[in-house]
Amino acid sequence: GESVGLHLPTLSVQEGDNSIINCAYSNSASDYFIWYKQESGKGPQFIIDIRSNMDKRQGQRVTVLLNKTVKHLSLQIAATQPGDSAVYFCAENMHQAGTALIFGKGTTLSVSS
Amino acid sequence: DVKVTQSSRYLVKRTGEKVFLECVQDMDHENMFWYRQDPGLGLRLIYFSYDVKMKEKGDIPEGYSVSREKKERFSLILESASTNQTSMYLCASSLDGGTVPKLFFGSGTQLSVL
Repeated sequence: GESVGLHLPTLSVQEGDNSIINCAYSNSASDYFIWYKQESGKGPQFIIDIRSNMDKRQGQRVTVLLNKTVKHLSLQIAATQPGDSAVYFCAENMHQAGTALIFGKGTTLSVSS
Repeated sequence: DVKVTQSSRYLVKRTGEKVFLECVQDMDHENMFWYRQDPGLGLRLIYFSYDVKMKEKGDIPEGYSVSREKKERFSLILESASTNQTSMYLCASSLDGGTVPKLFFGSGTQLSVL
């Protein structure tokens, strides 16, 4: 079946470095791609989204890039801080399923100071 | 802020028991969802609902059922709990008709079936 996956289950960076978390997807028909952050003991929280007709979107310290040619999505975090340590999930919206999201397996980001 | 509240943070049940997981949202959202989260598998969709008394199967509905009698409440039911249903269960809600399918999650219920 179609799924959203992540390239690496874990990523370790130093405080102040830039982090790049990658995700591959398989469904060309998805409308939206969304990144969520899940801190320990909490539910996932929305970070940023990108629509399928865009290739880049920037937020506060985060940038999402979408490459539809190779079906690749990435989340870039600038000047990573210890508070960024969490599990990051990419998700895609299967338009035919309304607003239900299909999630990837997650990447655990560890930031050391 | 949207608040999605799951009734229990931790739950321990025995094999064969009927288990109810409750979820309430306070933002009048039409859509509600149940996911389970397992290490290395991410979040997998169990059931979702677009309206009161409406339900749709997700990717892994086997062994589960749901109930949505009121707009703000979405219950997940394990008819006869089994050990392979030990997991973190996450409830979410979203507004219908929004541009972005933005889900708001509860803090989760860690269920252990012994």
